[in-house]
Amino acid sequence: DIQMTQSPSSLSASVGDRVTITCRASQSISSYLYWYQQKSGKAPKLLIYVASSLQSGVPSRFSGSGSGTDFTLTISSLQPEDFATYYCQQSYSMPWTFGQGTKVEIK
Amino acid sequence: EVQLVESGGGLVQPGGSLRLSCAASGFTFSIYSMNWVRQAPGKGLEWVSYISESSSTIFYADSVKGRFTISRDNAENSLYLQMNSLRDEDTAVYYCARAESMRELVPWGQGTLVTVSS
Repeated sequence: DIQMTQSPSSLSASVGDRVTITCRASQSISSYLYWYQQKSGKAPKLLIYVASSLQSGVPSRFSGSGSGTDFTLTISSLQPEDFATYYCQQSYSMPWTFGQGTKVEIK
Repeated sequence: EVQLVESGGGLVQPGGSLRLSCAASGFTFSIYSMNWVRQAPGKGLEWVSYISESSSTIFYADSVKGRFTISRDNAENSLYLQMNSLRDEDTAVYYCARAESMRELVPWGQGTLVTVSS
């Protein structure tokens, strides 16, 4: 199985900060990497697909990059509504696997 | 509006069974593969199972293989998860999610809570 490792597990940031979350796959997954945002008590929401494509309706302050084994989610200017937990996920091969999550909290 | 609505969760004793349903609306259900993903209380997301458009291809996580069965009824626009031999560690919110053309999971349902406890 492909292991997905996110870092950090949590971070504290202020509104307006630039935030970067990384995700590393245990083997190459090409660009089959996705980012989801989950707010407390809600279902996950797709932000980025195939590593760098912005899902329709998602603000442009979110961006993704990377290929192979190393990937990054960047929030260019953190907004109050962005405080949530973020997960990466690979769909390169079964079983599909998620990272452990990164909780973004208010500083 | 594209919508997925799960139902069927509840409290069940260890060793018991439960059948989850996911009702799809607002899109042509029969041309999309579907998935179940779960989240134990306070934990991360775990992919559970995948079924292709025609049910010809099915995958399971090792943690549920042999105990859970995924199925779908394209005429009824519905996805199912039959869960047998339930264990404490199956306690979770179960989400159904559509797989799009680039294998992204969108949208997700609101989830249904399954609690396995004596």
